[in-house]
Amino acid sequence: GQQVMQIPQYQHVQEGEDFTTYCNSSTTLSNIQWYKQRPGGHPVFLIQLVKSGEVKKQKRLTFQFGEAKKNSSLHITATQTTDVGTYFCAGPILTGGGNKLTFGTGTQLKVEL
Amino acid sequence: DAGVIQSPRHEVTEMGQEVTLRCKPISGHDYLFWYRQTMMRGLELLIYFNNNVPIDDSGMPEDRFSAKMPNASFSTLKIQPSEPRDSAVYFCASSLARTVYSYEQYFGPGTRLTVT
Repeated sequence: GQQVMQIPQYQHVQEGEDFTTYCNSSTTLSNIQWYKQRPGGHPVFLIQLVKSGEVKKQKRLTFQFGEAKKNSSLHITATQTTDVGTYFCAGPILTGGGNKLTFGTGTQLKVEL
Repeated sequence: DAGVIQSPRHEVTEMGQEVTLRCKPISGHDYLFWYRQTMMRGLELLIYFNNNVPIDDSGMPEDRFSAKMPNASFSTLKIQPSEPRDSAVYFCASSLARTVYSYEQYFGPGTRLTVT
């Protein structure tokens, strides 16, 4: 089954409101990556977190890696219409075939004026 | 840099036909990945290569799917015979990393496959 879950699945916000998506893994991760996919587009790498409790910021985006390295979050302050898209977390998870970068279920963000 | 190049961008075919998707990774990248994205299953890793050698193909759904990487600048994903449930967007991605998941992946624009 799905080993990397994200909540919420969908989020509609008014422009200017904050947004947060949460990522939870069934296992401890060596690192976690975040990607953004615009409607009709392809995933684009945003950031990678490696250390327990790590926090990184990119302008209005704040990324956090949990102390146990099993969860992560992405927070957007004062959303803009350009933030529209689906946000995925991804982490290497050991499977029968070895470590495999497993993408989360994604959170689709819609921003209304 | 042109980024990862995929062709065709759209493919519509009939059930039973052979489909070949193509990918040119970013020059110098030594990892290449094939993903499939559907609403039901999300983004799934099908197979990945390191220095043109297939490393993990455990995500390939069944024997109808095959992938090759004859050289560092070209890879193909083939489906033979195709079925309607293969309809999806197929992404190719490449990466330059010391270890396979320690660095970002660059995705191509994808091929939207429709099998009728």
